[in-house]
Amino acid sequence: GAVVSQHPSWVICKSGTSVKIECRSLDFQATTMFWYRQFPKQSLMLMATSNEGSKATYEQGVEKDKFLINHASLTLSTLTVTSAHPEDSSFYICSAREGRLSSYNSPLHFGNGTRLTVT
Amino acid sequence: GEDVEQSLFLSVREGDSSVINCTYTDSSSTYLYWYKQEPGAGLQLLTYIFSNMDMKQDQRLTVLLNKKDKHLSLRIADTQTGDSAIYFCAEGTGGYQKVTFGTGTKLQVIP
Repeated sequence: GAVVSQHPSWVICKSGTSVKIECRSLDFQATTMFWYRQFPKQSLMLMATSNEGSKATYEQGVEKDKFLINHASLTLSTLTVTSAHPEDSSFYICSAREGRLSSYNSPLHFGNGTRLTVT
Repeated sequence: GEDVEQSLFLSVREGDSSVINCTYTDSSSTYLYWYKQEPGAGLQLLTYIFSNMDMKQDQRLTVLLNKKDKHLSLRIADTQTGDSAIYFCAEGTGGYQKVTFGTGTKLQVIP
């Protein structure tokens, strides 16, 4: 089945530094990828929708200058947390949908997530 | 608007059936999903149902959809200890199929 690879799975960084998280669709092309954030014991919160070749669409309340998203190819989207602070510590998960915009028949495939700890 | 709700916790004995319920508010949902998350891991798609279907069965999993009441349920037959996890229901809406997740139900299976 379709596989989404997310890297790294776990990262610790110092406050003020930037961290890049990669999301790759390994055996399919993904026009659209989604980035979610999950706080402990809570559900997933959609941060942004990443569209290949165009700017990402951010959800209300998500700072686009802090969470930089780049979707440079049909198989790779990256999320960069800039100038990270301890409150950015969280579990970040990406997902991708196989195929084009009108792919109602394609469910989301998720990466295994990245646990970010900012010290 | 979109709002998906689930009960937070369910405990069942091994071998019994588990039923996890979910309610949603957006009547324009196209897809409804069930995902499983084990500790420290990402989400695993278990099953999904189109909004024009009432029921879908896949091995031990049965999904029931009551579109009138905006109610979705997941039944796991012969629940095993390996089924212990958090289960999220989610609805997909719009052209990009924006997915909104429920709060998750933690299923505990007692041996």
